Amino acid sequence: DTGVSQDPRHKITKRGQNVTFRCDPISEHNRLYWYRQTLGQGPEFLTYFQNEAQLEKSRLLSDRFSAERPKGSFSTLEIQRTEQGDSAMYLCASSIVPGQAYNEQFFGPGTRLTVL
Amino acid sequence: AQKVTQAQTEISVVEKEDVTLDCVYETRDTTYYLFWYKQPPSGELVFLIRRNSFDEQNEISGRYSWNFQKSTSSFNFTITASQVVDSAVYFCALSETLTQGGSEKLVFGKGTKLTVNP
Repeated sequence: DTGVSQDPRHKITKRGQNVTFRCDPISEHNRLYWYRQTLGQGPEFLTYFQNEAQLEKSRLLSDRFSAERPKGSFSTLEIQRTEQGDSAMYLCASSIVPGQAYNEQFFGPGTRLTVL
Repeated sequence: AQKVTQAQTEISVVEKEDVTLDCVYETRDTTYYLFWYKQPPSGELVFLIRRNSFDEQNEISGRYSWNFQKSTSSFNFTITASQVVDSAVYFCALSETLTQGGSEKLVFGKGTKLTVNP
């Protein structure tokens, strides 16, 4: 399967713990995006990488959140000192630089985080 | 700021009924893209359609059809002869140009939960 993959698919943690999620984009896709989806809402943009450079961060991304894409391939999203409000589905998407009039974003299956 | 409004939170229909999901958007951009995604209970977003702001032609794909009207900033989605397998949450989304890197982010509505009963 050559789609976007995310690991783990589910994570349950206690408040105050740190968690890290991984996203593997489609091979050769140089753009990578993180979105967060809370219950009953649509996904909301968190941050975006072009290769290894993090080019934009939403104000939703508090200081407790950090994302990296060290070699321009996979990305990690870490949440420190988790809070119950962090419970959500974290979605990763990737796209490829133009070429095309529009760079379609392909989504992974998501990581569902539950903070107890 | 860009905004997508899906006023219908939940819709319930009986199989074989036609159903229309509404989407209204706001944008500053002169060029933009509109999307519909399906999210079944498994959670993965399934891409259904992308529409360029310069192309107002309606589109039909099997039982699915889309009506894009720039004059009313609407991009509505109709399922004809609905089936139980159509039950899912449907999201309308709008592209918003990011300030750096030349890419776009997607701005999603809150979704409409469609339940098709046998």
